[in-house]
Amino acid sequence: NAGVMQNPRHLVRRRGQEARLRCSPMKGHSHVYWYRQLPEEGLKFMVYLQKENIIDESGMPKERFSAEFPKEGPSILRIQQVVRGDSAAYFCASSLPRRTGRDTEAFFGQGTRLTVV
Amino acid sequence: GDSVTQMEGPVTLSEEAFLTINCTYTATGYPSLFWYVQYPGEGLQLLLKATKADDKGSNKGFEATYRKETTSFHLEKGSVQVSDSAVYFCALSEGFKTIFGAGTRLFVKA
Repeated sequence: NAGVMQNPRHLVRRRGQEARLRCSPMKGHSHVYWYRQLPEEGLKFMVYLQKENIIDESGMPKERFSAEFPKEGPSILRIQQVVRGDSAAYFCASSLPRRTGRDTEAFFGQGTRLTVV
Repeated sequence: GDSVTQMEGPVTLSEEAFLTINCTYTATGYPSLFWYVQYPGEGLQLLLKATKADDKGSNKGFEATYRKETTSFHLEKGSVQVSDSAVYFCALSEGFKTIFGAGTRLFVKA
């Protein structure tokens, strides 16, 4: 059972370009989470999705960032018109559906390191 | 809102030394608590967890006890190895969202 797969592992973009980060969850997992890790900082929640639905995007910047998790294929985190401040590691995690009062472990991918030059 | 505070690093220890990394949390409900480890260039791996008060999570010689009265979940290991060098994140989850501390970098010298 393959783990959470993220690609690319490293991505370099010039300012103003678009960045697309992909995440394939673990087999059987229908819930995906995206986190951003700035250098020397912890992980900050960005968005929680299930298939074809955004459940919570309270951590997403209001502009330039979007996420989707289509019925078929990986989840995509899209950053338009990247700026230097977007340089970070972006981690995806997946889990089984979480239910009130029950904990379900989230499994993390190895991350995509985005560098904006 | 919910938050996690952990001791700042880096922490530098000699091999076989005792390790403590402090973690305290604030939460409105009854969260599950976790320690994750991140090795250089890698993603996060779950190290241990505890889901209710007084539970002790343990794995690979590491352990942490969920203390509701002090809202703490300190990570300990009796004898660290060079291979334990990594960044350790304390986290809580309540519902679907996992909230992480800032991480503590551990260096273990041979």
